[in-house]
Amino acid sequence: DTGVSQDPRHKITKRGQNVTFRCDPISEHNRLYWYRQTLGQGPEFLTYFQNEAQLEKSRLLSDRFSAERPKGSFSTLEIQRTEQGDSAMYLCASATPSGGYTDTQYFGPGTRLTVL
Amino acid sequence: QKEVEQNSGPLSVPEGAIASLNCTYSDRGSQSFFWYRQYSGKSPELIMSIYSNGDKEDGRFTAQLNKASQYVSLLIRDSQPSDSATYLCAVGSGSARQLTFGSGTQLTVLP
Repeated sequence: DTGVSQDPRHKITKRGQNVTFRCDPISEHNRLYWYRQTLGQGPEFLTYFQNEAQLEKSRLLSDRFSAERPKGSFSTLEIQRTEQGDSAMYLCASATPSGGYTDTQYFGPGTRLTVL
Repeated sequence: QKEVEQNSGPLSVPEGAIASLNCTYSDRGSQSFFWYRQYSGKSPELIMSIYSNGDKEDGRFTAQLNKASQYVSLLIRDSQPSDSATYLCAVGSGSARQLTFGSGTQLTVLP
């Protein structure tokens, strides 16, 4: 049973460039989440997929951010025209439905983005 | 605005002692509570979940939930230097799938 994987693990880019991150969830998990974490803070929710459907997006997810999960398996998160404030750890988590409760989410290793 | 509050610490305890980590939350509709451990530069790792009032034990870890007081805690018995990390409290409400995290408590276990 492999865990959640993310690629790349580190990304350094210049302000104004576009970047794309990939997340591969645990194979039997149909729910996938993206979070962002800055230094000294807990993760903040960005968006959530059930299978290929994007069901919820945070107000933190500006128009420069887009996420996809085309076949209900891996997901990509793209940031266009990066800004220095986008520098953070981008975390992906996956889960299976847990009845009436919030899913138990398992995190990948994260992608650390540095915008120069 | 749903809030989850944790003391940022740092909290230092000697090796072998009990470490007590606390968390309060603002949304009375919250139903799911999780503790994650995060080592510096790494991603959060699930320790345990709790859904009902009372205590839940898993090895050296005990989670305690009091919904009336909107309070959840994590006790770590026989603390080890390898327990030194940031501990994140996460809360989910029944209507929302995402977790709301506190900012974490940094724990240092001194040898």
